[in-house]
Amino acid sequence: NAGVTQTPKFRVLKTGQSMTLLCAQDMNHEYMYWYRQDPGMGLRLIHYSVGEGTTAKGEVPDGYNVSRLKKQNFLLGLESAAPSQTSVYFCASSYRARGMVADTQYFGPGTRLTVL
Amino acid sequence: DQQVKQNSPSLSVQEGRISILNCDYTNSMFDYFLWYKKYPAEGPTFLISISSIKDKNEDGRFTVFLNKSAKHLSLHIVPSQPGDSAVYFCAASWGYGNKLVFGAGTILRVKS
Repeated sequence: NAGVTQTPKFRVLKTGQSMTLLCAQDMNHEYMYWYRQDPGMGLRLIHYSVGEGTTAKGEVPDGYNVSRLKKQNFLLGLESAAPSQTSVYFCASSYRARGMVADTQYFGPGTRLTVL
Repeated sequence: DQQVKQNSPSLSVQEGRISILNCDYTNSMFDYFLWYKKYPAEGPTFLISISSIKDKNEDGRFTVFLNKSAKHLSLHIVPSQPGDSAVYFCAASWGYGNKLVFGAGTILRVKS
């Protein structure tokens, strides 16, 4: 049981390049999330998904796209990377039903992205 | 507009003593509150949570207190251990999708 995994762990991009970050979970969770963490700030929600084939915008969605074609995978895309997208990206997943256990999100180890 | 605030960027405590981490929030719609612990180069890990209908939840050395009227919660760690040294994030959950809003985090250093 690997939990939540993220690929890649590190990446350096040039301005204008594109890339996709992959998140996979093996806990059969309905909900999945993408966050970014910047120095001196907490994690901020980029996009989230409440089930296969669904996506929704979070707090800071601009410049990112997501897809959830399979229940266990959630992809985060950057079509044209900008230096402002230099950050650490975390994926998370959780159960669907509301409740103390269900609201707990389980996080992956993160992807450190640098855009030059 | 920060909906979840952790006003202390860092806290230093002696091993064996109590650590108290504080968190304030502004949105009355939040109905669950969670604390996460994060070590460098790792993802946050869940520590403890509390429902908005309760005022206290305990799990071993960790206790979370919620004061709804003051929109304030705190995490108590007793006794503190060097392995507790990490960044602690307060988070609040609300609405469809179990979305979380995070505070900026507090760095806890437990000195032996």
